Amino acid sequence: TQLLEQSPQFLSIQEGENLTVYCNSSSVFSSLQWYRQEPGEGPVLLVTVVTGGEVKKLKRLTFQFGDARKDSSLHITAAQPGDTGLYLCAGAEIQGAQKLVFGQGTRLTINP
Amino acid sequence: DTGVSQDPRHKITKRGQNVTFRCDPISEHNRLYWYRQTLGQGPEFLTYFQNEAQLEKSRLLSDRFSAERPKGSFSTLEIQRTEQGDSAMYLCASSFLGGVNTEAFFGQGTRLTVV
Repeated sequence: TQLLEQSPQFLSIQEGENLTVYCNSSSVFSSLQWYRQEPGEGPVLLVTVVTGGEVKKLKRLTFQFGDARKDSSLHITAAQPGDTGLYLCAGAEIQGAQKLVFGQGTRLTINP
Repeated sequence: DTGVSQDPRHKITKRGQNVTFRCDPISEHNRLYWYRQTLGQGPEFLTYFQNEAQLEKSRLLSDRFSAERPKGSFSTLEIQRTEQGDSAMYLCASSFLGGVNTEAFFGQGTRLTVV
């Protein structure tokens, strides 16, 4: 069974600070996706990284896929209260259904 | 077509009753997934369809659960004889087999509460 360990589970910081969320696994994934989820809603896709070592930027968010395609990170620069939410990483299995294996999520709170 | 649609958004049912949820995927997507998410956890895979064929089921999917995708378009997930432990958010996602990557897009979910 593939597992994806996401850390930290909870993070509360002040507006303007930087932060990094990590996802680690012993398994190789075909791609890794980051989602953001609001209470009572489904996850919304932020980015997909496919190639080992790939870096993608989305405004103040930087996503990186590890060289071995086993881990990923999300870095937010100058966090804003609007960044508050649940962030989920999900690795797509290489074979078969290519179903997603999710981390436990990071509950992020940005205080004004 | 603006995305994956799920119905209903919320369902409250008494223990022992049957419930059915519907998912309408993005129209050109041939892959459809069901996931279940409990409070404080990430979603967990339940089952997968490629077109109309159900190709994979999780061990989480007990005999009381059944899913269909009769024409390779919308899908239904039925839970028979519901139990309190079935209370969760049920999420549907779709993607396109043959695309460059495996991006999956989720619906808004159906929140099931069994009382």
